[in-house]
Amino acid sequence: TQLLEQSPQFLSIQEGENLTVYCNSSSVFSSLQWYRQEPGEGPVLLVTVVTGGEVKKLKRLTFQFGDARKDSSLHITAAQPGDTGLYLCAGAHSWGKLQFGAGTQVVVTP
Amino acid sequence: DSGVTQTPKHLITATGQRVTLRCSPRSGDLSVYWYQQSLDQGLQFLIQYYNGEERAKGNILERFSAQQFPDLHSELNLSSLELGDSALYFCASSVEGQGGNTIYFGEGSWLTVV
Repeated sequence: TQLLEQSPQFLSIQEGENLTVYCNSSSVFSSLQWYRQEPGEGPVLLVTVVTGGEVKKLKRLTFQFGDARKDSSLHITAAQPGDTGLYLCAGAHSWGKLQFGAGTQVVVTP
Repeated sequence: DSGVTQTPKHLITATGQRVTLRCSPRSGDLSVYWYQQSLDQGLQFLIQYYNGEERAKGNILERFSAQQFPDLHSELNLSSLELGDSALYFCASSVEGQGGNTIYFGEGSWLTVV
């Protein structure tokens, strides 16, 4: 059972387009993290959001944490082929355990 | 390179067998986590150790066990293997064991049970 629901499961877009990935849960987390995983590698942390309503920007990536700290979104502007990968959200509990969503596979074609 | 080292990278073994996966955390990290990633289940938390002691337990089967040694490296033991145990097993580490800390993942160990 996935406590964190990610949508969509798969997204294929052209280079230059924008995309948004959603992460929803019925649980409240102390923080929420977004990772990107490429084939043959482990997930790599992109950002951690802690405060409800928080917005963080990482170049063309914008991350938002919901006011109730139950949901989050990742928006990519002008996507590039290098953005291709599996995007995972993970909710953190105070004792250290991370609960991962199933991931959104993003493919950006030139 | 995250600094987390996992061995072996790939292994193939038969049902009923036992394997041990090894993990060396980043230098200075006290906490080690084990995750299982499969196509149908996604990334599932198995277990966490902090400075040699079990800190949190997730969806770890009774056939599986883990430990963290005094030098902080960790091993995940998988026994009585079944076909469904085929997956990518990740080790991750962090400085502390608190939520919100940055955790760094290794490249994983691919286990195929035939």
